[in-house]
Amino acid sequence: GENVEQHPSTLSVQEGDSAVIKCTYSDSASNYFPWYKQELGKRPQLIIDIRSNVGEKKDQRIAVTLNKTAKHFSLHITETQPEDSAVYFCAATLNTGGFKTIFGAGTRLFVKA
Amino acid sequence: NAGVTQTPKFRVLKTGQSMTLLCAQDMNHEYMYWYRQDPGMGLRLIHYSVGEGTTAKGEVPDGYNVSRLKKQNFLLGLESAAPSQTSVYFCASNLPTLDRAQETQYFGPGTRLLVL
Repeated sequence: GENVEQHPSTLSVQEGDSAVIKCTYSDSASNYFPWYKQELGKRPQLIIDIRSNVGEKKDQRIAVTLNKTAKHFSLHITETQPEDSAVYFCAATLNTGGFKTIFGAGTRLFVKA
Repeated sequence: NAGVTQTPKFRVLKTGQSMTLLCAQDMNHEYMYWYRQDPGMGLRLIHYSVGEGTTAKGEVPDGYNVSRLKKQNFLLGLESAAPSQTSVYFCASNLPTLDRAQETQYFGPGTRLLVL
């Protein structure tokens, strides 16, 4: 089955710096890759997503890149702010008659003011 | 429009007790999912449903049962709770959506379960 690995598990950056989180997946049939942000005690919320037929997508300070050949995808946050501090999850989705989504273990991002 | 709601928010069980977690959505979504979240392990899929009356197993289905008798509700049951089932449980739903990818999952607020 699908397996998603996420690195690093913890990331600490200075406010204004960039943060990069990397994920790899195993099943080449996965075709949709969302990123979720989860603040302490809250539910995960989608921040950006990318499909397998697209190499890069950007939304203001957040961008995601996908290398389908290498089965790698990454989240890039520029000009980080303290409110970016949260746990970020990558995921890979297979359409198997239900969108089966496998999540990475998460990255705890600390942005120091 | 409440989105996805879960009841209860928090529960303490003794080993061997049973309980049912309720997930409800008012977005007319076809697909619904139950996940558990444990520290350092992300979200793991327990069971899911692609429509009323259907259910399927996810990554970690053992010890849980589900039912989807109504489109808007997805129930997760623990027949005989074990300490290993201490976790935060999240329900999610999707399909169809108007302004986002159909795969986008909308999560409930979570249920924190402690099994002693």
